[in-house]
Amino acid sequence: AQTVTQSQPEMSVQEAETVTLSCTYDTSESDYYLFWYKQPPSRQMILVIRQEAYKQQNATENRFSVNFQKAAKSFSLKISDSQLGDAAMYFCAYRRLGNQFYFGTGTSLTVIP
Amino acid sequence: GAVVSQHPSWVICKSGTSVKIECRSLDFQATTMFWYRQFPKQSLMLMATSNEGSKATYEQGVEKDKFLINHASLTLSTLTVTSAHPEDSSFYICSASQSSWDNEQFFGPGTRLTVL
Repeated sequence: AQTVTQSQPEMSVQEAETVTLSCTYDTSESDYYLFWYKQPPSRQMILVIRQEAYKQQNATENRFSVNFQKAAKSFSLKISDSQLGDAAMYFCAYRRLGNQFYFGTGTSLTVIP
Repeated sequence: GAVVSQHPSWVICKSGTSVKIECRSLDFQATTMFWYRQFPKQSLMLMATSNEGSKATYEQGVEKDKFLINHASLTLSTLTVTSAHPEDSSFYICSASQSSWDNEQFFGPGTRLTVL
């Protein structure tokens, strides 16, 4: 079975600074998708960013970008210009096309004013 | 954007009773729906995958007779926790995809179940 590992249970960042959340995964597949989801205190899961494994270019969504290293099976999330509203649990997820999602254990991000 | 609702948002029930949770896709047809369980400060654990019109596929260790899933239409899936016990207390989240080959899923807001 695929596994997704987030080695940082908790992270903190000063407002307006940059923070990077780590994620590694294990798979023998070559074609798959990777995601970062945000879960604020409301518990609603929100898609932050996604990456197709066949694309070499790293995905970017405004202040959020990823560093996708396919050979190393690494998929980190960089949040620039952190805002108070970024405080949440962040989950890394893997999905092979037509298959279910696998989630990491999550990283709790605190933004310090 | 795609919206998924869940009802109820929270429920408290007595041990031994059954509870039904509904998951609806409001503005799209969801061929595939997923049911997750999340304990406090933990990740989402997939319980089962349901495709409209067919039987759900349960993950290993999930009792299909206890967690009944019905996906009778393209916009509605239900999870029934039968003979609930306190250890079933958890946060249940559904998500929906337009097809099993769709690479995105849309999450409902979750249902908090407390069994006394």
